[in-house]
Amino acid sequence: ETGVTQSPTHLIKTRGQQVTLRCSSQSGHNTVSWYQQALGQGPQFIFQYYREEENGRGNFPPRFSGLQFPNYSSELNVNALELDDSALYLCASCWGGRASTDTQYFGPGTRLTVL
Amino acid sequence: AQRVTQPEKLLSVFKGAPVELKCNYSYSGSPELFWYVQYSRQRLQLLLRHISRESIKGFTADLNKGETSFHLKKPFAQEEDSAMYYCALSRNRDDKIIFGKGTRLHILP
Repeated sequence: ETGVTQSPTHLIKTRGQQVTLRCSSQSGHNTVSWYQQALGQGPQFIFQYYREEENGRGNFPPRFSGLQFPNYSSELNVNALELDDSALYLCASCWGGRASTDTQYFGPGTRLTVL
Repeated sequence: AQRVTQPEKLLSVFKGAPVELKCNYSYSGSPELFWYVQYSRQRLQLLLRHISRESIKGFTADLNKGETSFHLKKPFAQEEDSAMYYCALSRNRDDKIIFGKGTRLHILP
């Protein structure tokens, strides 16, 4: 059984650029959630995908978008990067479509720095 | 709006002393509540959830709907309990999980 993996580990971008972050869910998991964790804050829910469909979204603008693939891996895309997008981006996977009742397993995160 | 408040950024407790990490929430419905933990150089992981009424690593948490609290307790702290602890809430009508800002627990020898 493999755990949740994320790539890249670190990333530096400039304002206005676009970025794609990747997440491979734990084996057998069909649900992926993405979180943004700014320094000194708790994780903030961005959105969740279940069986390739978005089934929940937090208070993030449309320039934050995602995809889930048939193998349940996922991407987070952020367009028109702003300085405030600098954060640790976490993905978490679970089985069954409900992170509130299933146990979520978190990845190590991708540290994004926007200059 | 729903909110999770952890009033202490840092809590230092001597080994063997009782531990209580405070969590208050604001939500008018019946929430599902969780405690997550992140040990040094490890990933964020679920510690316990109120619906399971379980005790994990000696920790328990009781939901007090009157006080809208879900404090995490352990009778005797151990050095390996040093970590970052996050309280989190999920609303029944959707699956958005809202985290508090976290409390760093430091167990003193």
